[in-house]
Amino acid sequence: GENVEQHPSTLSVQEGDSAVIKCTYSDSASNYFPWYKQELGKRPQLIIDIRSNVGEKKDQRIAVTLNKTAKHFSLHITETQPEDSAVYFCAAFRTASKLTFGTGTRLQVTL
Amino acid sequence: DAMVIQNPRYQVTQFGKPVTLSCSQTLNHNVMYWYQQKSSQAPKLLFHYYDKDFNNEADTPDNFQSRRPNTSFCFLDIRSPGLGDAAMYLCATSRHSGTGGYGYTFGSGTRLTVV
Repeated sequence: GENVEQHPSTLSVQEGDSAVIKCTYSDSASNYFPWYKQELGKRPQLIIDIRSNVGEKKDQRIAVTLNKTAKHFSLHITETQPEDSAVYFCAAFRTASKLTFGTGTRLQVTL
Repeated sequence: DAMVIQNPRYQVTQFGKPVTLSCSQTLNHNVMYWYQQKSSQAPKLLFHYYDKDFNNEADTPDNFQSRRPNTSFCFLDIRSPGLGDAAMYLCATSRHSGTGGYGYTFGSGTRLTVV
């Protein structure tokens, strides 16, 4: 089955700096890669996603890149703000299969 | 608004006493999932329904069962809750077709406490 590795497990950045979270996946047939933000005690919220026919996608301060050859995708957050502090999960999905989550990254944005 | 609704938001149950968590959706998604999430960990898939077809994960204990009486509702039954079953239980839905899946949406979750 699919295996998704996520790094780093914790990340501390200063407000205004950029944050990058990286994930690798094992199943070359995976074709959908969402990123979720989860605040304490709340549900995971989809913040951005990318499909395998696209190499990069951007939404304001958030961007995701996908390298299918390397089976690697990354989340980039620019101009970080304190409200970006949360746990971020990457995930990978293959058609007619299930969503497999990474282990999560706790992002702390300090003033 | 179309959404995924979980009830109750908080559930306290006694050790060994059967408990049922519910999930309903107005998105008309054909796939419904149940995840267990323990503190600071990734959500762990217990099982999912693809339309009426039930798909159990290999490592899901027999203590966990599920029912999907119709497209909109899905239930998680824990037959004999143990202390280790205390967690947040998340319901999620998605829409799948032959070309792929989209629209993953999570409910607010039910936090289960076992006493």
